[in-house]
Amino acid sequence: DAGVTQSPTHLIKTRGQQVTLRCSPKSGHDTVSWYQQALGQGPQFIFQYYEEEERQRGNFPDRFSGHQFPNYSSELNVNALLLGDSALYLCASSPTSGANVLTFGAGSRLTVL
Amino acid sequence: GIQVEQSPPDLILQEGANSTLRCNFSDSVNNLQWFHQNPWGQLINLFYIPSGTKQNGRLSATTVATERYSLLYISSSQTTDSGVYFCAVGRLGDNFNKFYFGSGTKLNVKP
Repeated sequence: DAGVTQSPTHLIKTRGQQVTLRCSPKSGHDTVSWYQQALGQGPQFIFQYYEEEERQRGNFPDRFSGHQFPNYSSELNVNALLLGDSALYLCASSPTSGANVLTFGAGSRLTVL
Repeated sequence: GIQVEQSPPDLILQEGANSTLRCNFSDSVNNLQWFHQNPWGQLINLFYIPSGTKQNGRLSATTVATERYSLLYISSSQTTDSGVYFCAVGRLGDNFNKFYFGSGTKLNVKP
Protein backbone atom coordinates (compact mmCIF):
# COMPACT_ATOMS: atom_id res chain seq x y z
CA ASP A 1 0.00 0.00 0.00
CA ALA A 2 1.63 3.21 -1.19
CA GLY A 3 1.60 5.98 1.34
CA VAL A 4 1.61 9.67 0.46
CA THR A 5 3.88 10.45 -2.46
CA GLN A 6 5.25 13.89 -3.25
CA SER A 7 7.20 15.28 -6.18
CA PRO A 8 9.69 16.66 -6.81
CA THR A 9 11.82 15.82 -3.78
CA HIS A 10 14.18 18.75 -4.24
CA LEU A 11 14.11 21.83 -6.40
CA ILE A 12 15.90 25.14 -6.73
CA LYS A 13 14.22 28.30 -8.00
CA THR A 14 15.13 31.96 -8.19
CA ARG A 15 13.21 34.88 -6.73
CA GLY A 16 10.13 35.82 -8.70
CA GLN A 17 9.68 32.42 -10.29
CA GLN A 18 6.70 30.13 -9.81
CA VAL A 19 6.69 26.56 -8.53
CA THR A 20 4.22 23.66 -8.55
CA LEU A 21 4.45 20.81 -6.07
CA ARG A 22 2.46 17.60 -6.38
CA CYS A 23 0.97 15.14 -3.93
CA SER A 24 -0.81 11.81 -4.23
CA PRO A 25 -2.67 10.83 -1.06
CA LYS A 26 -2.65 7.47 0.65
CA SER A 27 -5.12 4.99 -0.77
CA GLY A 28 -8.52 5.48 0.88
CA HIS A 29 -7.82 9.07 1.90
CA ASP A 30 -9.78 11.91 0.34
CA THR A 31 -8.54 14.95 2.25
CA VAL A 32 -5.21 16.60 1.53
CA SER A 33 -3.49 19.25 3.64
CA TRP A 34 -0.31 21.18 2.89
CA TYR A 35 2.21 22.36 5.45
CA GLN A 36 5.32 24.53 5.25
CA GLN A 37 8.25 23.67 7.52
CA ALA A 38 11.03 26.22 7.78
CA LEU A 39 14.41 25.05 9.03
CA GLY A 40 14.36 24.33 12.76
CA GLN A 41 10.63 24.91 13.16
CA GLY A 42 7.47 22.88 13.29
CA PRO A 43 5.21 22.56 10.25
CA GLN A 44 2.73 25.39 9.60
CA PHE A 45 -0.67 24.76 8.05
CA ILE A 46 -1.12 26.28 4.58
CA PHE A 47 -4.49 24.91 3.44
CA GLN A 48 -6.68 21.83 3.17
CA TYR A 49 -8.57 20.39 0.21
CA TYR A 50 -11.62 18.17 0.20
CA GLU A 51 -13.94 17.38 -2.70
CA GLU A 52 -11.79 19.55 -4.95
CA GLU A 53 -12.37 22.66 -2.83
CA GLU A 54 -10.25 24.58 -0.37
CA ARG A 55 -12.10 24.32 2.92
CA GLN A 56 -9.59 25.66 5.41
CA ARG A 57 -6.68 28.06 5.04
CA GLY A 58 -3.85 29.13 7.30
CA ASN A 59 -2.14 32.49 7.49
CA PHE A 60 -0.49 32.44 4.07
CA PRO A 61 -0.74 35.05 1.29
CA ASP A 62 -2.63 34.56 -1.94
CA ARG A 63 0.64 33.74 -3.68
CA PHE A 64 0.01 30.27 -2.27
CA SER A 65 -2.74 28.46 -4.12
CA GLY A 66 -3.75 24.89 -4.64
CA HIS A 67 -5.91 22.45 -6.44
CA GLN A 68 -7.36 19.03 -5.85
CA PHE A 69 -8.22 16.68 -8.68
CA PRO A 70 -11.07 14.13 -8.91
CA ASN A 71 -8.63 11.33 -8.00
CA TYR A 72 -7.88 13.25 -4.74
CA SER A 73 -4.34 14.18 -5.75
CA SER A 74 -3.35 17.76 -5.14
CA GLU A 75 -1.02 20.53 -6.26
CA LEU A 76 0.48 23.44 -4.37
CA ASN A 77 1.43 26.48 -6.42
CA VAL A 78 3.54 29.36 -5.19
CA ASN A 79 3.90 32.48 -7.33
CA ALA A 80 6.42 35.30 -7.16
CA LEU A 81 8.80 33.30 -5.00
CA LEU A 82 10.60 35.04 -2.14
CA LEU A 83 13.75 33.96 -0.37
CA GLY A 84 11.60 33.29 2.70
CA ASP A 85 9.63 30.64 0.81
CA SER A 86 12.62 28.32 1.09
CA ALA A 87 11.34 25.43 3.19
CA LEU A 88 10.25 21.81 3.28
CA TYR A 89 6.71 21.53 1.91
CA LEU A 90 4.81 18.63 3.38
CA CYS A 91 1.63 17.05 2.12
CA ALA A 92 -0.59 15.11 4.52
CA SER A 93 -3.62 13.03 3.70
CA SER A 94 -6.40 11.81 5.95
CA PRO A 95 -9.74 10.07 5.68
CA THR A 96 -12.94 12.05 6.10
CA SER A 97 -14.59 9.40 8.23
CA GLY A 98 -13.28 8.21 11.56
CA ALA A 99 -10.38 9.73 13.41
CA ASN A 100 -8.58 12.48 11.53
CA VAL A 101 -5.16 10.83 11.59
CA LEU A 102 -2.58 12.42 9.32
CA THR A 103 -0.21 10.52 7.05
CA PHE A 104 2.63 12.64 5.69
CA GLY A 105 4.66 12.39 2.55
CA ALA A 106 8.44 12.76 2.54
CA GLY A 107 8.18 16.39 1.45
CA SER A 108 9.49 18.64 -1.29
CA ARG A 109 12.48 20.74 -0.31
CA LEU A 110 12.38 24.10 -2.05
CA THR A 111 15.36 26.42 -2.17
CA VAL A 112 14.84 29.95 -3.47
CA LEU A 113 18.00 31.80 -4.53
CA GLY B 1 -4.67 30.17 16.95
CA ILE B 2 -3.59 27.76 19.60
CA GLN B 3 -0.15 27.82 21.20
CA VAL B 4 1.74 24.54 21.43
CA GLU B 5 4.87 24.38 23.55
CA GLN B 6 7.16 21.40 23.66
CA SER B 7 9.89 20.67 26.15
CA PRO B 8 12.73 20.14 26.35
CA PRO B 9 13.83 21.61 23.01
CA ASP B 10 16.91 19.40 22.94
CA LEU B 11 17.68 16.11 24.63
CA ILE B 12 20.80 13.94 24.57
CA LEU B 13 20.53 10.39 25.89
CA GLN B 14 22.77 7.41 26.22
CA GLU B 15 21.41 4.32 24.53
CA GLY B 16 19.18 2.41 26.93
CA ALA B 17 18.03 5.46 28.88
CA ASN B 18 14.40 6.52 29.32
CA SER B 19 12.93 9.93 28.56
CA THR B 20 9.76 11.96 28.83
CA LEU B 21 8.78 14.61 26.30
CA ARG B 22 6.09 17.14 27.14
CA CYS B 23 3.55 19.06 25.05
CA ASN B 24 1.48 21.88 26.53
CA PHE B 25 -1.33 23.56 24.62
CA SER B 26 -3.27 26.71 25.27
CA ASP B 27 -6.83 25.74 24.31
CA SER B 28 -9.20 22.80 24.33
CA VAL B 29 -8.42 20.21 21.68
CA ASN B 30 -10.28 17.38 20.01
CA ASN B 31 -7.28 15.87 18.28
CA LEU B 32 -3.67 15.34 19.33
CA GLN B 33 -1.01 13.41 17.48
CA TRP B 34 2.67 12.71 18.11
CA PHE B 35 5.09 12.47 15.21
CA HIS B 36 8.72 11.48 14.76
CA GLN B 37 10.65 13.26 12.02
CA ASN B 38 13.68 11.36 10.80
CA PRO B 39 16.85 13.09 9.52
CA TRP B 40 15.50 12.93 5.94
CA GLY B 41 12.41 14.92 6.89
CA GLN B 42 9.82 12.14 6.89
CA LEU B 43 7.14 12.60 9.56
CA ILE B 44 5.90 9.31 11.01
CA ASN B 45 2.72 9.22 13.03
CA LEU B 46 3.39 7.64 16.45
CA PHE B 47 0.11 8.16 18.27
CA TYR B 48 -3.36 9.56 17.79
CA ILE B 49 -4.19 10.39 21.40
CA PRO B 50 -6.74 13.16 22.09
CA SER B 51 -7.14 11.75 25.61
CA GLY B 52 -6.08 8.80 27.72
CA THR B 53 -3.05 6.55 27.47
CA LYS B 54 -1.69 4.36 24.69
CA GLN B 55 1.34 2.15 24.35
CA ASN B 56 3.17 0.87 21.31
CA GLY B 57 6.25 -1.17 22.13
CA ARG B 58 8.84 1.02 23.87
CA LEU B 59 6.75 4.13 23.31
CA SER B 60 3.75 5.27 25.25
CA ALA B 61 1.76 8.48 25.42
CA THR B 62 -0.65 10.10 27.82
CA THR B 63 -2.91 13.08 27.19
CA VAL B 64 -4.70 14.90 30.00
CA ALA B 65 -6.97 17.11 27.91
CA THR B 66 -8.57 18.84 30.91
CA GLU B 67 -5.12 20.04 32.01
CA ARG B 68 -3.98 20.74 28.44
CA TYR B 69 -0.87 18.61 28.21
CA SER B 70 0.42 15.41 26.70
CA LEU B 71 3.48 13.31 27.48
CA LEU B 72 5.46 10.97 25.27
CA TYR B 73 7.54 8.33 27.03
CA ILE B 74 10.45 6.59 25.36
CA SER B 75 11.90 3.64 27.23
CA SER B 76 15.18 1.82 26.57
CA SER B 77 16.10 4.35 23.88
CA GLN B 78 17.92 3.25 20.74
CA THR B 79 20.02 5.23 18.27
CA THR B 80 17.20 4.85 15.74
CA ASP B 81 14.98 6.92 18.07
CA SER B 82 17.07 9.99 17.21
CA GLY B 83 15.28 12.75 15.35
CA VAL B 84 12.72 15.42 16.14
CA TYR B 85 9.48 14.68 17.94
CA PHE B 86 6.49 16.88 17.24
CA CYS B 87 3.18 17.27 18.97
CA ALA B 88 0.28 18.46 16.78
CA VAL B 89 -3.13 19.51 18.03
CA GLY B 90 -6.51 20.23 16.48
CA ARG B 91 -8.59 22.81 18.29
CA LEU B 92 -11.98 21.88 19.68
CA GLY B 93 -14.62 23.75 17.75
CA ASP B 94 -12.80 23.78 14.43
CA ASN B 95 -15.09 22.26 11.82
CA PHE B 96 -12.22 20.65 9.98
CA ASN B 97 -8.99 20.01 11.76
CA LYS B 98 -6.06 22.12 10.84
CA PHE B 99 -3.21 21.13 13.05
CA TYR B 100 -0.99 23.36 15.13
CA PHE B 101 2.50 22.01 15.67
CA GLY B 102 4.96 22.70 18.43
CA SER B 103 8.59 23.51 17.69
CA GLY B 104 9.61 19.98 18.49
CA THR B 105 12.03 18.15 20.78
CA LYS B 106 15.29 17.19 19.09
CA LEU B 107 16.47 13.87 20.49
CA ASN B 108 19.99 12.53 20.03
CA VAL B 109 20.59 9.00 21.31
CA LYS B 110 24.28 8.17 21.58
CA PRO B 111 25.57 4.58 21.35
